[in-house]
Amino acid sequence: NAGVTQTPKFQVLKTGQSMTLQCAQDMNHNSMYWYRQDPGMGLRLIYYSASEGTTDKGEVPNGYNVSRLNKREFSLRLESAAPSQTSVYFCASSIGLAGAPDTQYFGPGTRLTVL
Amino acid sequence: KNQVEQSPQSLIILEGKNCTLQCNYTVSPFSNLRWYKQDTGRGPVSLTIMTFSENTKSNGRYTATLDADTKQSSLHITASQLSDSASYICVVSARYSSASKIIFGSGTRLSIRP
Repeated sequence: NAGVTQTPKFQVLKTGQSMTLQCAQDMNHNSMYWYRQDPGMGLRLIYYSASEGTTDKGEVPNGYNVSRLNKREFSLRLESAAPSQTSVYFCASSIGLAGAPDTQYFGPGTRLTVL
Repeated sequence: KNQVEQSPQSLIILEGKNCTLQCNYTVSPFSNLRWYKQDTGRGPVSLTIMTFSENTKSNGRYTATLDADTKQSSLHITASQLSDSASYICVVSARYSSASKIIFGSGTRLSIRP
């Protein structure tokens, strides 16, 4: 049981390049999330998917797109990377049952640097 | 505005000592509060979760308290160990929340010295 896995672990991009961050979970969770974490700030939600087939914007969606490929996989795409997107990106998943406290399980993170 | 404030920002204590971390929030309507531990270079891991009706929850040497009236929570660590060195994050969710109503604090960085 790997939990939540993310690839790659590290990435360096030049301004304007594109890339996709991959996330997969093997816990049969309904909900999946993408966060970014910047120094001195709390995690901020970029996009989330409450269930397979749905995606919604979070707090900081500009410059990103997502795809919920199936129940297991949720990818995050940067179409034209900017230095402001330098950050650590975390994927998370949760059971996603309405009305119940919902603990999120996080992946190990992707450290992205945009030059 | 929904906010979660944590104090102190950082803390250094000697191994074996106890410590208490604080969390104040203005998230409304309140659903639940969680404490996460985040080791350097890793994703956060859940320690405790408390709903409105719970005022204390323990997980080994970690004890979280919640005062929903004053909108305050604390995380008490007993007999600290070197492995407790990490960031501790307070997370508050709004009732019937969609994911966009989950608010993270910026964390308290705890260092345990031998």
